[in-house]
Amino acid sequence: AQSVAQPEDQVNVAEGNPLTVKCTYSVSGNPYLFWYVQYPNRGLQFLLKYITGDNLVKGSYGFEAEFNKSQTSFHLKKPSALVSDSALYFCAVRDMEINDYKLSFGAGTTVTVRA
Amino acid sequence: EAQVTQNPRYLITVTGKKLTVTCSQNMNHEYMSWYRQDPGLGLRQIYYSMNVEVTDKGDVPEGYKVSRKEKRNFPLILESPSPNQTSLYFCASSLSSGQIYEQYFGPGTRLTVT
Repeated sequence: AQSVAQPEDQVNVAEGNPLTVKCTYSVSGNPYLFWYVQYPNRGLQFLLKYITGDNLVKGSYGFEAEFNKSQTSFHLKKPSALVSDSALYFCAVRDMEINDYKLSFGAGTTVTVRA
Repeated sequence: EAQVTQNPRYLITVTGKKLTVTCSQNMNHEYMSWYRQDPGLGLRQIYYSMNVEVTDKGDVPEGYKVSRKEKRNFPLILESPSPNQTSLYFCASSLSSGQIYEQYFGPGTRLTVT
């Protein structure tokens, strides 16, 4: 079965500092990986995805993520955080080897960027 | 404007009273899905649909039904709601099931079952 773990419930950083949100996954085959962001009282918005190819993926709002197959990780990063990046972040995975089109999300990480 | 709409946005109901939450997308997407969001549990997939008349269970389908009679609509039906179905529900759609595209989410429906 596929699963995602986001080991940190909360991440707090100062504005201008680097931001990292961690994600590890478990699949039987190769993964499709996604990051989504949820701002207060809003639906989820897509940030970026890894399907194949370059391990460093660039996405919206200056975010990027690095796929590491040996560590089964897909950490989200931003070099310089903004107060407006404060939100709830979700990592999601789909197992390419299983033909059922399910998508599994992590529990989410709340990011707070202080001015 | 490309969007996923859900109705109602807020609903308070009583145990056992059947209800339907509607979901509609105007992007001609093949794939649609329902999730529930609970604190500490993230999003859990309830049901999904790969195309018209093709649906399958997600991770938490018990107590829910869905149908996909038209491409744009994917209603979620609770035949006999119970308090443990109190949650925030999201509908989502994406271009295709065969390829991996990002999902577009609706604004959410907050359901309270008393």
